[in-house]
Order: sequence, then structure tokens, then C-alpha cells
Amino acid sequence: EAGVAQSPRYKIIEKRQSVAFWCNPISGHATLYWYQQILGQGPKLLIQFQNNGVVDDSQLPKDRFSAERLKGVDSTLKIQPAKLEDSAVYLCASSLVNLAGYTDTQYFGPGTRLTVL
Amino acid sequence: AQKITQTQPGMFVQEKEAVTLDCTYDTSDPSYGLFWYKQPSSGEMIFLIYQGSYDQQNATEGRYSLNFQKARKSANLVISASQLGDSAMYFCAMREGYSGNTPLVFGKGTRLSVIA
Repeated sequence: EAGVAQSPRYKIIEKRQSVAFWCNPISGHATLYWYQQILGQGPKLLIQFQNNGVVDDSQLPKDRFSAERLKGVDSTLKIQPAKLEDSAVYLCASSLVNLAGYTDTQYFGPGTRLTVL
Repeated sequence: AQKITQTQPGMFVQEKEAVTLDCTYDTSDPSYGLFWYKQPSSGEMIFLIYQGSYDQQNATEGRYSLNFQKARKSANLVISASQLGDSAMYFCAMREGYSGNTPLVFGKGTRLSVIA
């Protein structure tokens, strides 16, 4: 079974530029998450989707970050304009919703390492 | 307050020895799940083991076991017979509530180095 796919793996941009990351979850996984992992810290949730609806975006800096999951499958996370403090690894994860309606273990992709200069 | 505390920034272990990575958590929700993930230098977070708050037995998965002490709010990861490939960052995480629609909260991680 294919895992969570992300692209690009690495991105370097100047501050105030825009950038987009793409994620394709494990087939059949209804729930998709975007995390930000700053160097030396654990991942922090940015946004959670169930199918194509947003479950939690309370930690997403909405003045510059946006995310969508059209058709309930793959997802795009965008930053516009980028700041120096956005330098981090952006991880995508997905999980099943089981028969009881509960969300299962999260499986992560390889991440995108963003450097903002 | 920190919900997940990992007090060991770095650990060393000899190959083939066992090692324990510490994790304490803080929650008032009676339903929660505890997870351990491994993050090698490649960056991917690899799921290792899960323990539910109502599980009576400690979870085990191959060489990984979780020493769950509910009264102490600790969920330590034990790796038996360490291998060189175990060198990585290890993160403890918690999800509060039973439905799973609450986010995972991660600790700051422990860097494990296995020495030949």
C-alpha cells in the first residue's frame, strides 16, 4: 500500500514570496492533517480536514496560510507572503475513519523542508 | 502547561542493549490515546506504538513496548535489543477524547543514538 505522498521535498524562497505544498493521502483515508515542525520541536497541527470539510484550523495563521482539499482526496497548503519564521518542515498525515466513526492512527508523509531567506 | 513532556533531549545506547525513553503527559480527560513516533534524519514520522487510556495491558509491537503507568501519567517507550537503525528522534504524542477528532499534541522529542 502506498504511503502519504508530499511534494516538493525541499523548497527555498525569499521572504514575501509565495509557496505551495501538495499532499496525497493514503487511499481511503478520510482525514488529512497538515503540521508545521520547527527545528528542535515536535510537530504542531495547522489544519485538519475530514473529507473536504475543515475540522480544526484554530492554529492556522489565516492572514498568510491557506489550505484546501478539493474532492476530499489530495490537499494543497499555501503560504502567501512567507516570513522568515515560516522556515520549518511541513508534514502531511492521514488517517482512516473507522466503522464507529472514530479517527484512527495518523500516518505521515516525508515532509517538505521550507527555508525562507 | 505542557501536555507532553520528554525530559531527555538526547540518549545514547549500546547496540543490542535495551533503552527507555521517558514521556509524561497531562490531561483531565479520562479518554485519551498515547502514541510514539520515530523520525529518522529523512524527516518522515513513523508510527511505532499506541496505548489507549482504557487498555489494561501495556502495548507491545515487536521490539517496542510501552510502559504505561496511568497513576503517574507516564508512557515510557522501551526499545529492546537496540539496532544502529534505531538512531533517530523519538516523539511521544497524545490525543485527548475518544472520537479522534482532537489534534495530536507532541512532545519536543528525544534524540537516540545507538553506538556500535
